Amino acid sequence: AQSVTQLGSHVSVSEGALVLLRCNYSSSVPPYLFWYVQYPNQGLQLLLKYTTGATLVKGINGFEAEFKKSETSFHLTKPSAHMSDAAEYFCAVSEEGGSYIPTFGRGTSLIVHP
Amino acid sequence: DAGVIQSPRHEVTEMGQEVTLRCKPISGHDYLFWYRQTMMRGLELLIYFNNNVPIDDSGMPEDRFSAKMPNASFSTLKIQPSEPRDSAVYFCASSLRNQPQHFGDGTRLSIL
Repeated sequence: AQSVTQLGSHVSVSEGALVLLRCNYSSSVPPYLFWYVQYPNQGLQLLLKYTTGATLVKGINGFEAEFKKSETSFHLTKPSAHMSDAAEYFCAVSEEGGSYIPTFGRGTSLIVHP
Repeated sequence: DAGVIQSPRHEVTEMGQEVTLRCKPISGHDYLFWYRQTMMRGLELLIYFNNNVPIDDSGMPEDRFSAKMPNASFSTLKIQPSEPRDSAVYFCASSLRNQPQHFGDGTRLSIL
């Protein structure tokens, strides 16, 4: 069975600082991994995804994530936070060849201070 | 390209009333999902369909909840009778297999 753990329900950074949102997963088969962002009063939007190939994945709005199989991690980073990055971020995993249905983490709220 | 469309965006009704939420998925997508989001429980998968057929409804909380997908372009989630604890944001999402889900903007439901 697959599962996702997002460490920290809230992360607070200053504008211009590095953003690091942590995601660890468990999966019995090669995973597909996703990061979604949710702005207030909106649905989730895809930030980036990893399926196969390059382990460093670049997404929209300057975000990127690195798949580390040995650490079962898929942490999301951005070199310099903007005020507009304040939102809820969700990590999700699905299994190649499995039921496909993704499992979502509980989410991390990113707070950006001026 | 239109995204997933949900209606209504907001619904306020009294306990005991029937509530119907509607969803139009992205054309060509063969998976449709209904989620519920609350502060306490986070994002919960209620039910999903593949090619209009319900595949897993184990997340539906009670028999008061039902979902249908009469055709590839329309789905409903119904609560009858509604209770205050059903208050939440309900999302519909659609996708192709092993592809990212596309979410609607949700229906914010308040049961008084």
